[in-house]
Amino acid sequence: AQKITQTQPGMFVQEKEAVTLDCTYDTSDQSYGLFWYKQPSSGEMIFLIYQGSYDEQNATEGRYSLNFQKARKSANLVISASQLGDSAMYFCAMREPYNNNDMRFGAGTRLTVKP
Amino acid sequence: DVKVTQSSRYLVKRTGEKVFLECVQDMDHENMFWYRQDPGLGLRLIYFSYDVKMKEKGDIPEGYSVSREKKERFSLILESASTNQTSMYLCASRARQGRVSPLHFGNGTRLTVT
Repeated sequence: AQKITQTQPGMFVQEKEAVTLDCTYDTSDQSYGLFWYKQPSSGEMIFLIYQGSYDEQNATEGRYSLNFQKARKSANLVISASQLGDSAMYFCAMREPYNNNDMRFGAGTRLTVKP
Repeated sequence: DVKVTQSSRYLVKRTGEKVFLECVQDMDHENMFWYRQDPGLGLRLIYFSYDVKMKEKGDIPEGYSVSREKKERFSLILESASTNQTSMYLCASRARQGRVSPLHFGNGTRLTVT
């Protein structure tokens, strides 16, 4: 069953503007972790940010922040002040510690930053 | 830095061949994973292993098997390759402990089955 949904196959943003990439998830567990990864055209997967289900504050890492709405089961990634180098595929993922501890990914969103 | 190394970047095989994809990590991680990545489908989990000689099926194990004889090495085996197994294959590892503990990925193997 699909557990991670990214509804935006592609997104465009103007350089220096902010952009939000959507992610919703489905789980019956109370304890879980949410991750965002970036995959540039080179193919490497780069870990960006993590949000734990019990974390009271939204996670932030530099220009990346996570808009975590637990009741809505959404964990949207916000990139502020977009740069050309932000053009890449972005994947949302969830780990459920009590479900064999594996990690499931969404289909991804391709972000293109326009100069 | 964690290094996850996949033995081949590109691989071309014929239908029916037995194919081995090798993955080695150098950080003594307990957990290792194999995913395949296809456009529009994201990353789908094939198999994972949480210890030597242990393996668990992921979402799409059919047509694949795995081997974990040593902690640092996790091999994906296509017993009889088929054209629908043409894909990008990504290996990843992760420490068992640690709340955040993200996956560390290899650079991927792009497999073409003709």
